[in-house]
Amino acid sequence: AQKITQTQPGMFVQEKEAVTLDCTYDTSDPSYGLFWYKQPSSGEMIFLIYQGSYDQQNATEGRYSLNFQKARKSANLVISASQLGDSAMYFCAMREARSGAGSYQLTFGKGTKLSVIP
Amino acid sequence: DGGITQSPKYLFRKEGQNVTLSCEQNLNHDAMYWYRQDPGQGLRLIYYSQIVNDFQKGDIAEGYSVSREKKESFPLTVTSAQKNPTAFYLCASSIKTSGIAKNIQYFGAGTRLSVL
Repeated sequence: AQKITQTQPGMFVQEKEAVTLDCTYDTSDPSYGLFWYKQPSSGEMIFLIYQGSYDQQNATEGRYSLNFQKARKSANLVISASQLGDSAMYFCAMREARSGAGSYQLTFGKGTKLSVIP
Repeated sequence: DGGITQSPKYLFRKEGQNVTLSCEQNLNHDAMYWYRQDPGQGLRLIYYSQIVNDFQKGDIAEGYSVSREKKESFPLTVTSAQKNPTAFYLCASSIKTSGIAKNIQYFGAGTRLSVL
């Protein structure tokens, strides 16, 4: 079973508008962390935002915020005031606090390609 | 500037050849990782290392080997046993913590490997 599901292969957004990228996850571990990364066409993965499973408030980092709904197991990324430079692949990832590789390993979704239209 | 340097950017492998991808970091991180990315896919973990002279297999270690002789360096060798090596390879590093502490992995710019 997929641990991280990103159901939107591609998204379009008008410049200066907000956009939400979906991410659902599957884990039985009560302790986990969720990450969003941006991958521009150059290939490097850029960390955007983090949410811990015990965090009471939704994470925010500048124009990025995370809509964390624990009961629904969703961790959607919201980008406000989109810019042309936001065009990229976006990946949701999870780390579970189990022993062995799990406590260090990130499990990635397949990504969403965001295109910002002028 | 602190960061992770991967080289080369592009690499071509002939049949039966071993090739080595370089990864160097100057972030003073203890942990380093190698991921493979195929088109339209997320990243999959090949190997990781939490400390010098120690490393563990990830989900897809077959056909790959690594070494960790220095804290700064974590080279990946794609051996001839890896029958489908064409992919984008990303190296990452992080501080060494357990559990789900906000342990962010920082990535290099990647190496694109193709088979001739």
